[in-house]
Amino acid sequence: KQEVTQIPAALSVPEGENLVLNCSFTDSAIYNLQWFRQDPGKGLTSLLLIQSSQREQTSGRLNASLDKSSGRSTLYIAASQPGDSATYLCALDTIKAAGNKLTFGGGTRVLVKP
Amino acid sequence: DGGITQSPKYLFRKEGQNVTLSCEQNLNHDAMYWYRQDPGQGLRLIYYSQIVNDFQKGDIAEGYSVSREKKESFPLTVTSAQKNPTAFYLCASRPQGASIEAFFGQGTRLTVV
Repeated sequence: KQEVTQIPAALSVPEGENLVLNCSFTDSAIYNLQWFRQDPGKGLTSLLLIQSSQREQTSGRLNASLDKSSGRSTLYIAASQPGDSATYLCALDTIKAAGNKLTFGGGTRVLVKP
Repeated sequence: DGGITQSPKYLFRKEGQNVTLSCEQNLNHDAMYWYRQDPGQGLRLIYYSQIVNDFQKGDIAEGYSVSREKKESFPLTVTSAQKNPTAFYLCASRPQGASIEAFFGQGTRLTVV
């Protein structure tokens, strides 16, 4: 069964510092990995989706890498801003999972201080 | 606008009551999902449906029921058998097949009073 872990659970950085968020998983037989952002009391917004065959994906200040051999993905957010404060979740689309179910990590709660 | 809509945003349930959470999408997606989120935790799958008139239990289906009579709609009923229903409920949809991103609604916060 796929297990997804995100460490740390919470992170606080000063504005302008780069953010590094980690996601580890146990089953590397995946279709893709997706990073989401969640604001308090809101739904999830998709940030980046990395296909199994890709090593990284970029969108603006965001860059996500994928290393299936080590079971890790990292989300980098460059030059953080207070508006980046949110919870970030990674989710795996595992080949063995019926119904294309996503398995989520517990999330990393980020606070960017002005 | 295309999207996925959950209603209501807030819902209060008395002990012993059944309540139904609505999820509607106009994205023409085949697959729909219900997740539960507890404070400080990730999402756990309750039920999912890949096609109309068919649905499957997720990891925590006990005390919940669903229906999928229309492609656009996937309502979730929280029954009185669910002993700890207070949580944030999220509905998602995606096209059939792998490697496609999922889209989420804005969630419903259910509280037992």
